Amino acid sequence: KNEVEQSPQNLTAQEGEFITINCSYSVGISALHWLQQHPGGGIVSLFMLSSGKKKHGRLIATINIQEKHSSLHITASHPRDSAVYICAVGTYNTDKLIFGTGTRLQVFP
Amino acid sequence: NAGVTQTPKFQVLKTGQSMTLQCAQDMNHEYMSWYRQDPGMGLRLIHYSVGAGITDQGEVPNGYNVSRSTTEDFPLRLLSAAPSQTSVYFCASSQVTGLAGANVLTFGAGSRLTVL
Repeated sequence: KNEVEQSPQNLTAQEGEFITINCSYSVGISALHWLQQHPGGGIVSLFMLSSGKKKHGRLIATINIQEKHSSLHITASHPRDSAVYICAVGTYNTDKLIFGTGTRLQVFP
Repeated sequence: NAGVTQTPKFQVLKTGQSMTLQCAQDMNHEYMSWYRQDPGMGLRLIHYSVGAGITDQGEVPNGYNVSRSTTEDFPLRLLSAAPSQTSVYFCASSQVTGLAGANVLTFGAGSRLTVL
């Protein structure tokens, strides 16, 4: 079993829909990261959080430490949100990060 | 603002050849790391460094060498390339306040390596 699991693996949506991507982890963490990777592109950090909720524009990230679960929400989705979204955790007591396999999102007009 | 610069962007090698992927950052970040990204798998840590003169192995270090002689540079060396090393490689850096995993990472644009 992977230490960081994301669901769904693939997601398609119509423009304007509300989107949720989930991340579950099984290790002790120092922080959880949400990253975005556009096709053929580099990787950009969206959020880093260790508790509660963060919001940036149409993106919201939440984390429940007790349940070892995080969600990334996109409100009013747009075709430019089409990308792979990656969850990663900073492991407790080490300097290493463990990555999920990513969720591929396609938003159609 | 250059951020993290990786070179080359693309490289084709023959089995047994050696090469170096370059990574440089201009943000005075202590932490630097190399990952490989393969289809269907998450990013996997190859090697990392928490400061000049300090390196450590990640999840998949075999076949790769690193050094950190300066804060800015963290080259990744493939000693004798194998087809299994065909992948996209990313370099990333961050400040280190406490654990490196609790700091925002800045990634390079990636280097696509094909080993024939």
